[in-house]
Amino acid sequence: QKEVEQNSGPLSVPEGAIASLNCTYSDRGSQSFFWYRQYSGKSPELIMSIYSNGDKEDGRFTAQLNKASQYVSLLIRDSQPSDSATYLCAGDAGADGLTFGKGTHLIIQP
Amino acid sequence: EAGVAQSPRYKIIEKRQSVAFWCNPISGHATLYWYQQILGQGPKLLIQFQNNGVVDDSQLPKDRFSAERLKGVDSTLKIQPAKLEDSAVYLCASSPPGTSGYNEQFFGPGTRLTVL
Repeated sequence: QKEVEQNSGPLSVPEGAIASLNCTYSDRGSQSFFWYRQYSGKSPELIMSIYSNGDKEDGRFTAQLNKASQYVSLLIRDSQPSDSATYLCAGDAGADGLTFGKGTHLIIQP
Repeated sequence: EAGVAQSPRYKIIEKRQSVAFWCNPISGHATLYWYQQILGQGPKLLIQFQNNGVVDDSQLPKDRFSAERLKGVDSTLKIQPAKLEDSAVYLCASSPPGTSGYNEQFFGPGTRLTVL
């Protein structure tokens, strides 16, 4: 059974610091991974996609993938209070919908 | 570009009643998904359509849930009869055609269902 594991948190980070969010997955067939941000009462919003081993940067966000360790991470630099949300990690094995983790609740402290 | 549209946004029903949700995907997106998100959990896939054909419905409780996507565009998800444990947010997502395995999905606002 495909599983994506995340620490539910809450993860508390001071404003301006780097927030580091992690996720592990069980299905070695997973090809691509996604980070979604979900504000309370809202739907998930795609913020990063990563398909290859290594780092991918987009603005203040960096996604990291290590397929050998089955590990995905998201770094948020210069954290802002508006980054406070639940971050969902998801994996895709190709033909199916996404398998989501339960999400990590991130709190940025002003 | 308009996003994924869903209606209604909220629905309250009593157990054993029926309910239907509607979704209109982003224009040009051939693949449509229905997810169920229970409070405190990540979304769980219920059914995936490619155009108007079902790709995966292995996690759809078929004794009470049904879904269709006529003409390969809009989709409806129905629950009949509803149970208390069906209380959740029902999310519709769509993804554009592209390289196999690169499956970026975009979500609608969701329908929050409360079963009393």
